[in-house]
Amino acid sequence: QKEVEQDPGPLSVPEGAIVSLNCTYSNSAFQYFMWYRQYSRKGPELLMYTYSSGNKEDGRFTAQVDKSSKYISLFIRDSQPSDSATYLCAMNGGSNYKLTFGKGTLLTVNP
Amino acid sequence: DTAVSQTPKYLVTQMGNDKSIKCEQNLGHDTMYWYKQDSKKFLKIMFSYNNKELIINETVPNRFSPKSPDKAHLNLHINSLELGDSAVYFCASSQGTRGNEQFFGPGTRLTVL
Repeated sequence: QKEVEQDPGPLSVPEGAIVSLNCTYSNSAFQYFMWYRQYSRKGPELLMYTYSSGNKEDGRFTAQVDKSSKYISLFIRDSQPSDSATYLCAMNGGSNYKLTFGKGTLLTVNP
Repeated sequence: DTAVSQTPKYLVTQMGNDKSIKCEQNLGHDTMYWYKQDSKKFLKIMFSYNNKELIINETVPNRFSPKSPDKAHLNLHINSLELGDSAVYFCASSQGTRGNEQFFGPGTRLTVL
């Protein structure tokens, strides 16, 4: 089992839709969780950062972490064409300094 | 602009050549990283330096040698380039060794012919 699993998609939604992106993980030591957005031919950009379980909201973006289920989510409300990108989850914790990334989900928001 | 910058942006070279990629950050961070992103977009850590000291060294061929002259710079030198080295290489930086909240550069697209 891979340490971090993320459905690669692609995911295509109409403008204004609520988007749900998810990752599961197997390492119970993970306690720091991040979501990155990567536009085509650009570097990953940090979107959200959460520690341990719970929710965090930033504008149209909400990150959720459920450590009991080893499941994290990113919700995008009122999705815009400019949200079209690959979304990567990443996590680390314990003595593991390395960020472990999911493979990314390619999202297209259609006008 | 405060950022992580990399040069060059594109690198096209022949098999067997030696090449270098440079990275600089002006975010005041003390930890820097090199990642490789393959054609399937999977990001994998290669190396990490904290205050010029190597702290992460993944299973990478020893043809790859990182060098950190100071905490704001991390360069990557690749000897005897192979076709399989073709990828996008990203530099990143963060504050502290925990590896959270890493900020990435724009990437260097390496093509080996």
